[in-house]
Amino acid sequence: EPEVTQTPSHQVTQMGQEVILRCVPISNHLYFYWYRQILGQKVEFLVSFYNNEISEKSEIFDDQFSVERPDGSNFTLKIRSTKLEDSAMYFCASTRGSGFSNQPQQFGDGTRLSIL
Amino acid sequence: ELKVEQNPLFLSMQEGKNYTIYCNYSTTSDRLYWYRQDPGKSLESLFVLLSNGAVKQEGRLMASLDTKARLSTLHITAAVHDLSATYFCAVVPFGNEKLTFGTGTRLTIIP
Repeated sequence: EPEVTQTPSHQVTQMGQEVILRCVPISNHLYFYWYRQILGQKVEFLVSFYNNEISEKSEIFDDQFSVERPDGSNFTLKIRSTKLEDSAMYFCASTRGSGFSNQPQQFGDGTRLSIL
Repeated sequence: ELKVEQNPLFLSMQEGKNYTIYCNYSTTSDRLYWYRQDPGKSLESLFVLLSNGAVKQEGRLMASLDTKARLSTLHITAAVHDLSATYFCAVVPFGNEKLTFGTGTRLTIIP
């Protein structure tokens, strides 16, 4: 069964450094998402991406964050200058879209980001 | 702003017992999903509920949706240890694609 893949599984970074989290969505999916989950808390929406542009973003997704689909397969989340509070699990998800609402968003295994 | 609340937040139950997790949401929605998360792992889709009165069952789990009450339930029948996990409901508002997750219910099944 096709799956969403994320790399790396764990990223440790010094505060103030830039990080790029990578995702390969399922190949025939059109909508891509990033979510984050701070340890022990609920999953929070960050951003959705469709047709090569951001379709929606949350208040969390400030100017320090950016997303890109640099080629036909990868979908990346960049945090320009990391803060301690960015430490969390980051999940990528994808879906075919609202015309396939019976198909849930498929999530990757996540990248655990630790900011020191 | 859409709010999604689950209760209870923590549930410890004995094997063989039945229990229900509740998911309330604050605005109209056309889709509700249930996900399971094991510690340190990803989110696994369990159920997709698309209409009022929808009921889905898989093994010992059954989910239902009442859109008028803005309520979904996840019922566990004769719990077994391997159902121990955190369960999240997630709602998609009309005209939107993002998931708004509930607070999660951490379920522990005691032998």
